[in-house]
Amino acid sequence: EVQLVESGGGLVQPGGSLRLSCAASGITFSSYAMSWVRQAPGKGLEWVSAISGSGGSTYYADSVKGRFTISRDNSKNTLYLQMNSLRADDTAVYYCAKDRGIAVAGTSAFDIWGQGTMVTVSS
Amino acid sequence: SYELTQPPSVSVSPGQTASITCSGDKLGDKYVCWYQQKPGQSPVLVIYQDTKRPSGIPERFSGSNSGNTATLTISGTQAMDEADYYCQAWDSSTYVVFGGGTKLTVL
Repeated sequence: EVQLVESGGGLVQPGGSLRLSCAASGITFSSYAMSWVRQAPGKGLEWVSAISGSGGSTYYADSVKGRFTISRDNSKNTLYLQMNSLRADDTAVYYCAKDRGIAVAGTSAFDIWGQGTMVTVSS
Repeated sequence: SYELTQPPSVSVSPGQTASITCSGDKLGDKYVCWYQQKPGQSPVLVIYQDTKRPSGIPERFSGSNSGNTATLTISGTQAMDEADYYCQAWDSSTYVVFGGGTKLTVL
């Protein structure tokens, strides 16, 4: 069974940092691009960042560029999101999502999602 | 930046056909996919590459994309189809883009 399990969420003060992890099982992890997608309470989906299967290419939404860093360890089947300089508007459930292909491209579609981890930025 | 626009809400009677639109500049030149999200649950991919259904998605879900508009069609809508639906596309400058979401009510 294919499964993605996020961890690392929690309460953090504005300006603080947090590192999210997403452990994958049941797939050849390095064969797929991965993304982080967030959803603020009561709001829609917002794509945050993506990384190719090899880890050689990374992509960011303008809202997080320069503050967040996506990475992956294919030997551990794990995806990461390092979040720095957190702001109140970063408060959301963060999902990791598996792409159908190895590259982030025009055919990108997320066929497997984790259960999400909540990040709350508040003093 | 590239934007996708969806109607906030759509209502349909059980057994009827529901159509949810997604609009964007020259959207027909891009691949569109659709997600279903029920309250408290993670999104589920229901259509990818405009018209393709992942394994396990009922045949009543179909998609189309032409011009500036993509459409998700649910034929013979059932109560279990009540959910939020999001379109998504990829743009070379914005990368992954989601629409704002449409709440489908079956009444």
